Amino acid sequence: DAMVIQNPRYQVTQFGKPVTLSCSQTLNHNVMYWYQQKSSQAPKLLFHYYDKDFNNEADTPDNFQSRRPNTSFCFLDIRSPGLGDAAMYLCATSRGGRPNYNEQFFGPGTRLTVL
Amino acid sequence: GNSVTQMEGPVTLSEEAFLTINCTYTATGYPSLFWYVQYPGEGLQLLLKATKADDKGSNKGFEATYRKETTSFHLEKGSVQVSDSAVYFCALSDNQGGKLIFGQGTELSVKP
Repeated sequence: DAMVIQNPRYQVTQFGKPVTLSCSQTLNHNVMYWYQQKSSQAPKLLFHYYDKDFNNEADTPDNFQSRRPNTSFCFLDIRSPGLGDAAMYLCATSRGGRPNYNEQFFGPGTRLTVL
Repeated sequence: GNSVTQMEGPVTLSEEAFLTINCTYTATGYPSLFWYVQYPGEGLQLLLKATKADDKGSNKGFEATYRKETTSFHLEKGSVQVSDSAVYFCALSDNQGGKLIFGQGTELSVKP
């Protein structure tokens, strides 16, 4: 089945220690998104790639970076995690092109714990 | 700016009860509307969608109708099951930049 895969499902890191979260997709979608979701809150968009074009949300901290080396993979790098960065990180994809640009398919998420 | 407002939870129902989760939105133009469901510890799954006024989205017994006159997209199900227990998010997209605007989520708990 075509899907969005996130690894690992659970990640523990130490305060200030860089961490990378991974997302891959077999849907061959043009667009890949990263969301942060804290407990009992809605997902918050951090940034997205449309093909190779990177689109950062205005309020995304500089501590968060992303890379998309090819269509299938996208990475979220947190350069110096703080306690406030503990959250579920969700990757999503969409086909791109109207009207389906906005129908997003989500991965299972990576739960990040910062000690 | 665009926004989505959902009824607050948690909502607790008995099995086979009727479900309504209210969702209203504010948007310019003609957004697409979605309901996503999130089971504990998992990502979001698209439950249903509607892309224009008067469209009805439906899936797994859930329905929602895009009402432009009342700017609403209420989620309904005639008979809920314990397995429907989850958090439900209403969302819109303005069809421009591909960004989803989520409501705050409504937790549903169905008791046997």
